[in-house]
This record gives sequence, structure tokens and C-alpha cells, in this order.
Amino acid sequence: DAGITQSPRHKVTETGTPVTLRCHQTENHRYMYWYRQDPGHGLRLIHYSYGVKDTDKGEVSDGYSVSRSKTEDFLLTLESATSSQTSVYFCAISDYSGSPLHFGNGTRLTVT
Amino acid sequence: KNEVEQSPQNLTAQEGEFITINCSYSVGISALHWLQQHPGGGIVSLFMLSSGKKKHGRLIATINIQEKHSSLHITASHPRDSAVYICAVEKDSYNTDKLIFGTGTRLQVFP
Repeated sequence: DAGITQSPRHKVTETGTPVTLRCHQTENHRYMYWYRQDPGHGLRLIHYSYGVKDTDKGEVSDGYSVSRSKTEDFLLTLESATSSQTSVYFCAISDYSGSPLHFGNGTRLTVT
Repeated sequence: KNEVEQSPQNLTAQEGEFITINCSYSVGISALHWLQQHPGGGIVSLFMLSSGKKKHGRLIATINIQEKHSSLHITASHPRDSAVYICAVEKDSYNTDKLIFGTGTRLQVFP
């Protein structure tokens, strides 16, 4: 399995608080992605990165920011969490655009 | 209407049965992915294909570009195949950031 670690695995937080999710990879892959998974929806792309300090928005980026200061780490930040951001968040990596994705185990975030 | 539709949404089978899961899409694509999501939540990439057929063990994936349709077959199904199977298509030229995911097919295989 590709070396991808998401932390935390579970988090409960209150509305209005900032939250940061971390994705760490040991594969030296160039591309990293953050998705959210909600009932009735397919996985939806929040943000992605195509290199250190190179990021771009996905389909559902409002309310989220990301940073990638090192190849191995991709951080997803909810500046002020809302209940609509309760979801399961998946990080994924790929070696190049168009190659198969490797996913982390997910982070279940509950915003109360 | 979703750009990627999977059918059926839910599927139950007896161990040993031949399983078919379908994926139809309405956009031009460069590739199609099949993924498996385990009951514990982890997601694994099974296949990536742009034409024809691919086989891995008991799993076979086919795609018909003209008909905008792909199928995932499982031969001699086993309870450990119980999972959600997800189809995703790449719009544009091999850009993984342009993946559109289906909502998945939940498969339960009973002994």
C-alpha cells in the first residue's frame, strides 16, 4: 500500500472553530488531493496540489484552504468550521496527473 | 442528471455468483477508474482503463467508449468482495484533478 497517513482519524469540533487536517505521504508523489465524501454524492474535490507551494481549487473549495510547504505534507484547513462541513475527508496522491490515485484511510469530521 | 451514473445502487449476491456493476457517463473522457471502498472506509484503486478490457484476479473491467459505458465484473464472488464499488471518469486529457465520481454501488455477498 502507498504510504499515506491522515490525521486525525476522527475529530469532533464546534461550529466556528478552526480545524486542520493533515495528510502525510512517504511516496514522493507530486500530486496530492483533498476530497470530501457525503451520502448521496460521489467524492468531490476540495483542493489539490501539483507541487510544493502549488495548489488549486476543486469543485467545493469554499470555506477551505490548503498549504503544501513540503512534498510529503498537504494540510487542509477549515478556518471557521460549519455544520455543512461535517463529512469524511480523504487525502489522495498520484505520481503524475492521470495516474491512479492512492487514498488515505479518511478523517471523519463532525462539526456540532 | 449526474455525469456519472452507476447501477445498481445496491446489490446482494450469494457466494459464487457472477456480479456485474455498470457505469454510464455523459461526457467525453480520457480514462475511467474503478475503485473499491472497504466497509472500514479505505479506498483502493482497482483499474484505470481507456479502452478494451483489463483483468486482475477475479475482477474484470471493460469499457465501450462509443456507448459511454463501463462494466466491472466479479467472477466467483466471495463475502470478502463486499464493499462499495466506485466508478470515476477523467474529463479532458488525463487530468486526475478532473475526476468525476459516481455515487457507488454497494455490494453484499452472503455465504
